[in-house]
Amino acid sequence: SQTIHQWPATLVQPVGSPLSLECTVEGTSNPNLYWYRQAAGRGLQLLFYSVGIGQISSEVPQNLSASRPQDRQFILSSKKLLLSDSGFYLCAWSPAYSLNYGYTFGSGTRLTVV
Amino acid sequence: GEDVEQSLFLSVREGDSSVINCTYTDSSSTYLYWYKQEPGAGLQLLTYIFSNMDMKQDQRLTVLLNKKDKHLSLRIADTQTGDSAIYFCAEGHAGGTSYGKLTFGQGTILTVHP
Repeated sequence: SQTIHQWPATLVQPVGSPLSLECTVEGTSNPNLYWYRQAAGRGLQLLFYSVGIGQISSEVPQNLSASRPQDRQFILSSKKLLLSDSGFYLCAWSPAYSLNYGYTFGSGTRLTVV
Repeated sequence: GEDVEQSLFLSVREGDSSVINCTYTDSSSTYLYWYKQEPGAGLQLLTYIFSNMDMKQDQRLTVLLNKKDKHLSLRIADTQTGDSAIYFCAEGHAGGTSYGKLTFGQGTILTVHP
């Protein structure tokens, strides 16, 4: 069966420090991968999505970047964090060419920038 | 572009039925989903419905789709305190440049009182 792993679960980082959040998927190949941010426990903002290795689409221009170095690995990064980067970050995957089961989400990373 | 709207809050008594409503604007939506998010966790797919269906029932959950009015609802029968969570409506497309991308509503906070 397919599983998605996201870490760390919580992170407290000072302003100006770098960021690296990692997400991996097991049990499938060539998944579509997504990074979302959720502010104040409410709506989801799509940050990046990827349909293949090295293919990244950015939905919102910002202080963050994403990379997909391997088929089932998706990384969210920042060179210098801002206070406004605080939030709950969710990684998700979906099968390529199928929406039958929507997205499967990871358990999330709570990022607090201080 | 696509837009999905939900009421922000719903409060019910334990044992009553809950009805969470959602409207969407894109008439070409193929799939419609309901997700549940418990505090500090990722989103969990509850159920989904294809656009060629009017209703889907799964144990205590009933999804109704009015395609003419672009209205989706989730009814939870015999609501329990464990049903307290944020519920997200989402729509997706099969085909075209939007393939594989879901649009989420802002979420409805369901509070169940004993």
